[in-house]
Amino acid sequence: DGGITQSPKYLFRKEGQNVTLSCEQNLNHDAMYWYRQDPGQGLRLIYYSQIVNDFQKGDIAEGYSVSREKKESFPLTVTSAQKNPTAFYLCASSMARQGNTEAFFGQGTRLTVV
Amino acid sequence: AQSVTQLDSQVPVFEEAPVELRCNYSSSVSVYLFWYVQYPNQGLQLLLKYLSGSTLVKGINGFEAEFNKSQTSFHLRKPSVHISDTAEYFCAVSETNFGNEKLTFGTGTRLTIIP
Repeated sequence: DGGITQSPKYLFRKEGQNVTLSCEQNLNHDAMYWYRQDPGQGLRLIYYSQIVNDFQKGDIAEGYSVSREKKESFPLTVTSAQKNPTAFYLCASSMARQGNTEAFFGQGTRLTVV
Repeated sequence: AQSVTQLDSQVPVFEEAPVELRCNYSSSVSVYLFWYVQYPNQGLQLLLKYLSGSTLVKGINGFEAEFNKSQTSFHLRKPSVHISDTAEYFCAVSETNFGNEKLTFGTGTRLTIIP
């Protein structure tokens, strides 16, 4: 079945540590996105990529980094510079063609700083 | 820049009653509009979308929405809700110009169905 896979589902991190969240899709989508979800704030865009080897900052990119070396993969690293990393992280992908911006989402990764 | 406003953070509704979840948007260009549903600890699932054409859009699970350009609204409705509709609902918008497909989301509306 085609879809988006995020791993792990739950992740615990000590303060000061970097951690990488995985996102893989087999939908042959060009565009991929990372969102952060906090209660009462909806989804906020961290980074997005419309093509391999290219990505852009979203609204809350500080303290995060990404790479897009393969079309299928868009890992997100939460660095020690992110002051409040505890949140639910959602990865999405879309075909990124005019008139077809429907995004498909993974099941999310819940990150907790301990 | 585009933005989305969902005025109601929580909506309680009795089972089998109708419901309307409100969504207003702001954008300087024409947009595509979406409603997504999220069940606890899961990702988002598309309910319906408006790209062009008829302003009344039907989606999954008996939901529908109407695009009103003059009021910049895209309210979601269901004539009779079920317990299984308990979830959080997000309205989202993207610009129609190619190269700017990223979605902007509202803050969500938590729908609670009362038996």
